[in-house]
Amino acid sequence: GAGVSQTPSNKVTEKGKYVELRCDPISGHTALYWYRQSLGQGPEFLIYFQGTGAADDSGLPNDRFFAVRPEGSVSTLKIQRTERGDSAVYLCASSPTSGGQNTGELFFGEGSRLTVL
Amino acid sequence: DQQVKQNSPSLSVQEGRISILNCDYTNSMFDYFLWYKKYPAEGPTFLISISSIKDKNEDGRFTVFLNKSAKHLSLHIVPSQPGDSAVYFCAVQETSGSRLTFGEGTQLTVNP
Repeated sequence: GAGVSQTPSNKVTEKGKYVELRCDPISGHTALYWYRQSLGQGPEFLIYFQGTGAADDSGLPNDRFFAVRPEGSVSTLKIQRTERGDSAVYLCASSPTSGGQNTGELFFGEGSRLTVL
Repeated sequence: DQQVKQNSPSLSVQEGRISILNCDYTNSMFDYFLWYKKYPAEGPTFLISISSIKDKNEDGRFTVFLNKSAKHLSLHIVPSQPGDSAVYFCAVQETSGSRLTFGEGTQLTVNP
């Protein structure tokens, strides 16, 4: 497809379980971002990849959250020992450039809605 | 600390009138300022941006104004159309990196 693809679109899990969320960015986009959006709030930055490496992971809330992008394309956000407070929409975005040349135009996917019971 | 603030959670205007959405920020080092629009069950989509070296940028019905001394950003939509009804987020980009910091959003409703 032409846009950013995220799977699953919905995930319901129980407290304490492990969850993986996948993002397939627009082909050729080198920069990839994960954001989290809670109800009534704006997207909150989690982590940003330039190629395969995490250029900025300062938004990850704690060590239960981890993300990888092993081949510089698809990324997986991993959440261990999920808590009810992790419930949110997890948004992935990609961009063709990064760093000093990035004017901030990101292309977002539709998000993965995570519900932790 | 909230670096980007949209103080109005909602705004309702009549079709054909002007919509003005406001945003305040705290850090004078931000380099780019952007507006995103979000429909239900969709991801945010980029609308318009402005560099810190400018004070106005126009694209069709959408104009963004930047007042650096007041650390204030606004989006004007004129004329407003029912299809503009969505949540609008302002976002800022820090000079030193590529992350965007978003405001809380304003729900715009344009009534026919």
